[in-house]
Amino acid sequence: DQQVKQNSPSLSVQEGRISILNCDYTNSMFDYFLWYKKYPAEGPTFLISISSIKDKNEDGRFTVFLNKSAKHLSLHIVPSQPGDSAVYFCAARGGSNYKLTFGKGTLLTVNP
Amino acid sequence: DADVTQTPRNRITKTGKRIMLECSQTKGHDRMYWYRQDPGLGLRLIYYSFDVKDINKGEISDGYSVSRQAQAKFSLSLESAIPNQTALYFCATSEPNREVGPFFGPGTRLTVL
Repeated sequence: DQQVKQNSPSLSVQEGRISILNCDYTNSMFDYFLWYKKYPAEGPTFLISISSIKDKNEDGRFTVFLNKSAKHLSLHIVPSQPGDSAVYFCAARGGSNYKLTFGKGTLLTVNP
Repeated sequence: DADVTQTPRNRITKTGKRIMLECSQTKGHDRMYWYRQDPGLGLRLIYYSFDVKDINKGEISDGYSVSRQAQAKFSLSLESAIPNQTALYFCATSEPNREVGPFFGPGTRLTVL
């Protein structure tokens, strides 16, 4: 069963607008949630994380929101730039082993 | 210079061949991981190692083995490659900081014919 779900395979937005990428999870034992960005022919790059005891974390243009009761998190990118075009992976970790469980990814395209 | 390097970057091989993928890191991290990415399936953990004497299976370890030769080196072997092992393979390293995710290498694209 898929414990971390990204239900939108792709998203297209205009430059300057907000991009919202969504992620749902089923395991209530997850205590940290992370977002990665991946360009073609490169490895994933860590973007931002949030602890399960928080509901918001912000880093520049990137903000992650966590709704524990709904088991839902989202990544907001404002304003979106063409260089943000990439695949975004949501990941979650729980327990002492630091293992990550990844979603399938969402392809974000930011149009000039 | 890249912090996490993987060799080879691309490899085409035949069913039944033994293949080794190598990973080196200069970040000084104790923790190293091997992940596999298939189209539409995200990344899945194959093996992980928290120090030189520690090796652990991930969620899809069947058909794979690993060796942690040193703190900086972690290799992945396919003893007898099969076509459904065709995928992108990523090595990653991390420190014990839960707020920061693992750092990934550039990946190895493996094709098994």
